[in-house]
Amino acid sequence: GQSLEQPSEVTAVEGAIVQINCTYQTSGFYGLSWYQQHDGGAPTFLSYNALDGLEETGRFSSFLSRSDSYGYLLLQELQMKDSASYFCAVGSGGYQKVTFGTGTKLQVIP
Amino acid sequence: ETGVTQTPRHLVMGMTNKKSLKCEQHLGHNAMYWYKQSAKKPLELMFVYSLEERVENNSVPSRFSPECPNSSHLFLHLHTLQPEDSALYLCASSQDRADRTNTEAFFGQGTRLTVV
Repeated sequence: GQSLEQPSEVTAVEGAIVQINCTYQTSGFYGLSWYQQHDGGAPTFLSYNALDGLEETGRFSSFLSRSDSYGYLLLQELQMKDSASYFCAVGSGGYQKVTFGTGTKLQVIP
Repeated sequence: ETGVTQTPRHLVMGMTNKKSLKCEQHLGHNAMYWYKQSAKKPLELMFVYSLEERVENNSVPSRFSPECPNSSHLFLHLHTLQPEDSALYLCASSQDRADRTNTEAFFGQGTRLTVV
């Protein structure tokens, strides 16, 4: 089976940096994805890592260590609009075998 | 807008009712999915359709019945549901590739279902 662990809640100050960790157990691992979901909204894709290392997209970066079965999402220069839930997801072949974590609720405070 | 539209946005139904959720994608994708999202639980994959064939059914009770008449439309038919089935039901689509590399999924806004 597949399982993922991430913190349930994180609070950070506007303008700061926050890191959301994700550890996983899976067979046939292909890559780690991150999604953002605002309250009442649809999950939206943020990033994908298939290889070890850091992927940067604007203020958001995502890191993967396959040997440690670990990844994280790094959000820089936090803005109030970044308050949302963030889900990590592991894929084991195309999108069809994607398993999501329970999500981390990020609250950005002034 | 994500290119994936779900209707209705909200639904209240009794345990003896029959209703259907509808999903339409305008992205030309070849795969569509139904997910269930309950409070404090991970997104649960229910059904996967690839090229209009069901390829995944994660032990979902038979009171949930999916239908995919074409690559752009997906339905979830509901009958004799239980109160514990109350949740947000999300539809998603993606373009799966033969090389098995990941492609991002595009989600609809979901249908908030309440079973009374």
